[in-house]
Amino acid sequence: AQSVAQPEDQVNVAEGNPLTVKCTYSVSGNPYLFWYVQYPNRGLQFLLKYITGDNLVKGSYGFEAEFNKSQTSFHLKKPSALVSDSALYFCAVRGGSYIPTFGRGTSLIVHP
Amino acid sequence: DGGITQSPKYLFRKEGQNVTLSCEQNLNHDAMYWYRQDPGQGLRLIYYSQIVNDFQKGDIAEGYSVSREKKESFPLTVTSAQKNPTAFYLCASSMTGLNTEAFFGQGTRLTVV
Repeated sequence: AQSVAQPEDQVNVAEGNPLTVKCTYSVSGNPYLFWYVQYPNRGLQFLLKYITGDNLVKGSYGFEAEFNKSQTSFHLKKPSALVSDSALYFCAVRGGSYIPTFGRGTSLIVHP
Repeated sequence: DGGITQSPKYLFRKEGQNVTLSCEQNLNHDAMYWYRQDPGQGLRLIYYSQIVNDFQKGDIAEGYSVSREKKESFPLTVTSAQKNPTAFYLCASSMTGLNTEAFFGQGTRLTVV
């Protein structure tokens, strides 16, 4: 079995400030974790993934994510937010099954 | 240019009518998926397929049907039995390896009129 929780429906941040979008997971076996971004009326785009190794993963558009095994978390981060980062962000896990399981999504709003 | 293509982008259905959403990929992926997206509910799995001529029900399969006659194609039919079909439908594909990411189409927005 596998599941993902995104505890925040919405995250608000001012442009230029750091941002964090939270994700926790549950999976039997080793976790494979992913972040995707969705712009309005579009499909999801892959941002980054954790497979093994370094707990800090770097991805597209300046995003990174930190894997924490003890806290079963995989939070998405960016040092300096842009207005254009405003979108819906999804965390996903594969591990118990090859079928990816997605969180409910977090709406990121970056204010000018 | 590799990718996954959904068509049409917008679709309108009358009450009691079946409609079919197209999904084609040229990524040579074995696995394909259909998800339904409603506001505030994330992505819910409708059907998935790991191999040609085989597919499995997901969490919300009632009122939907699929086929997988070719590796590249995984069409979804929304039947008249689906009582609330208005939603955004997303098709995805991936390799079956656990460490590989999924690729998504641009989605089809279905509206009942």
